[in-house]
Amino acid sequence: KQEVTQIPAALSVPEGENLVLNCSFTDSAIYNLQWFRQDPGKGLTSLLLIQSSQREQTSGRLNASLDKSSGRSTLYIAASQPGDSATYLCAALTYALNFGKGTSLLVTP
Amino acid sequence: GAGVSQSPSNKVTEKGKDVELRCDPISGHTALYWYRQSLGQGLEFLIYFQGNSAPDKSGLPSDRFSAERTGGSVSTLTIQRTQQEDSAVYLCASSLAGARTDTQYFGPGTRLTVL
Repeated sequence: KQEVTQIPAALSVPEGENLVLNCSFTDSAIYNLQWFRQDPGKGLTSLLLIQSSQREQTSGRLNASLDKSSGRSTLYIAASQPGDSATYLCAALTYALNFGKGTSLLVTP
Repeated sequence: GAGVSQSPSNKVTEKGKDVELRCDPISGHTALYWYRQSLGQGLEFLIYFQGNSAPDKSGLPSDRFSAERTGGSVSTLTIQRTQQEDSAVYLCASSLAGARTDTQYFGPGTRLTVL
């Protein structure tokens, strides 16, 4: 069974800092790895999707990398802003989407 | 355009009652997924519909849970004889072509509380 772990569980940083969120998964036979953002009372918003054949994806200030062989992915957020405050979830797609428990990010002004 | 919608947004019920949760996927999306997010737990896959194919029910936790998708669009998740451990946020997602590699778009969820 695919196990997805996210570290840290919570993170608080001052505005403007660059930060890295970590995700690890136990089964490397994945179709893709996705990063989502979840805001309170709202659904999930897809941020980046990395296919199994890819190494990274970029969107604006976000960059996600994937190392399938080591079972790791990172989400890099550059120049963080208070509006980035949310819970960030990674999900590895094998038989179904397997989610980590998320990293709760707080960016303070 | 309109995203995935779910109703109701909140549902409070008594133990032993049946509940129905509704999901309206994005128009034209052929695949539909149900997930559950329990307090302190990650999201858990429940069921997957792809077009007119038989659904993948491998994630349903018990036979009290069932789901149907009418006309390849709207889906209803039914929980019979609800238990307190069924309390969770139930999320629905849809994707365009249904390939396992497609981006899934999520609805806002239904928060179910079983008293």
